[in-house]
Amino acid sequence: AQKVTQAQTEISVVEKEDVTLDCVYETRDTTYYLFWYKQPPSGELVFLIRRNSFDEQNEISGRYSWNFQKSTSSFNFTITASQVVDSAVYFCALSEANSGGSNYKLTFGKGTLLTVNP
Amino acid sequence: NAGVTQTPKFRVLKTGQSMTLLCAQDMNHEYMYWYRQDPGMGLRLIHYSVGEGTTAKGEVPDGYNVSRLKKQNFLLGLESAAPSQTSVYFCASRNVGLGGYTQYFGPGTRLTVL
Repeated sequence: AQKVTQAQTEISVVEKEDVTLDCVYETRDTTYYLFWYKQPPSGELVFLIRRNSFDEQNEISGRYSWNFQKSTSSFNFTITASQVVDSAVYFCALSEANSGGSNYKLTFGKGTLLTVNP
Repeated sequence: NAGVTQTPKFRVLKTGQSMTLLCAQDMNHEYMYWYRQDPGMGLRLIHYSVGEGTTAKGEVPDGYNVSRLKKQNFLLGLESAAPSQTSVYFCASRNVGLGGYTQYFGPGTRLTVL
């Protein structure tokens, strides 16, 4: 069964601090995909990144970076030099790639509320 | 290109009333989904559809029905609303294929059942 755990319910930082959001997943599939979504106070869900299980290269996009480690089943998200606009709920999600069964399904963690204070 | 749209954005119902939420997508996606989001619970899948004319149950289907008469539309119905259905409802869509395709979400509908 798929499972995603975001152990940090809430994080509060001061602007310009770096912050890492943790994501730990469980899956029996050898091929799977991991996602991060952002939900700002306005409520919409914004797709940030998708990684597949065969690509463990870290990814950087501006102030955002992602660290994928299969050995620890983790897909952590770091924001460097945080800004007030980064304040949001961040969701990690997992999708299995099998051709039958649950390949339709995206399993979400419960989210981490990040508050960046000026 | 509007992506995924949802109608209405807000709704207040009394217990026992019925309503239909409409989701529309213009990306020619085969798969469509309805989720509910409750505080501290993340997103939970209600129903989904893998193509026009097909629907299936997700994790929390009780009290809801769905229909997919047209590829671009996915309707979520509440026949007799209950306070436990107070939630934010999100629709999503994605391309057909293995699980790697990204789901794109609508803006959400905030429903309150009194």
